[in-house]
Amino acid sequence: KAGVTQTPRYLIKTRGQQVTLSCSPISGHRSVSWYQQTPGQGLQFLFEYFSETQRNKGNFPGRFSGRQFSNSRSEMNVSTLELGDSALYLCASSLVLSGRNSPLHFGNGTRLTVT
Amino acid sequence: KQEVTQIPAALSVPEGENLVLNCSFTDSAIYNLQWFRQDPGKGLTSLLLIQSSQREQTSGRLNASLDKSSGRSTLYIAASQPGDSATYLCAVTLNAGGTSYGKLTFGQGTILTVHP
Repeated sequence: KAGVTQTPRYLIKTRGQQVTLSCSPISGHRSVSWYQQTPGQGLQFLFEYFSETQRNKGNFPGRFSGRQFSNSRSEMNVSTLELGDSALYLCASSLVLSGRNSPLHFGNGTRLTVT
Repeated sequence: KQEVTQIPAALSVPEGENLVLNCSFTDSAIYNLQWFRQDPGKGLTSLLLIQSSQREQTSGRLNASLDKSSGRSTLYIAASQPGDSATYLCAVTLNAGGTSYGKLTFGQGTILTVHP
C-alpha cells in the first residue's frame, strides 16, 4: 500500500509570493492533517480535513488555508509568504478523525524556503 | 493550554544499552498519547499509541507506559541498536467530553544517538 505522498519535496519562494502544497493520503484514509515543523517552535498543528470539511484549525493566520477534494487529496495554500514561513510542512492521514485511536501516517514533507 | 515536555533533549548511548525517554504533559484530560520517531529529513513514523484507559503498549523492543494522573509517559527501548538513532517525539490529544479534539500537541523531541 502506498504511503502518504507530498509534492513537491522542496520549494524556494520569494517573500510576498504564494505557494500551494499537495498531499495524497493513504488509500481509504479520509482524514488529512497538516503540521508545520520549525527548529524553534517544533511541530504545530495547522488544520485537519475530513470528508472535504475542515474539522479543526490551529492558531495560524488566515494566510494559511487548505482544502480537501472528494478523493481525499488535500492542498494547503500560503499567501503573501513571509520569511518566518520557512519550514517543513508535514501532511498526515488517518482512517478516522486524527487524535482518535487510529495512528497517524505522515508523509516526508515539503521543505519550503522563503527568501 | 496543553504543554508537552520531553527530557532529555538529547541522549547518546553505546549499542546494547536499555534506555528510557520521558514525556510529560500539563493537562491530564487526554484522549490518547502517541510516540513517533523521525529520521533526518523525513516524516514521522508512528511507534505506539496508548489510549487514555491503558497503562502501557508494547511493540518489539519498545514499551511505552502512561500515567495519566501524573501527566507522564515513558518510552523504554531495550537493547538499543545504531538503527534506533533518530528523534523521538511524543504527542497528546485532548479529551473533549469523551471524544477527541483531533489535533495533536507535540513535545520538542529527544534526539537519540546509538553508537556502535
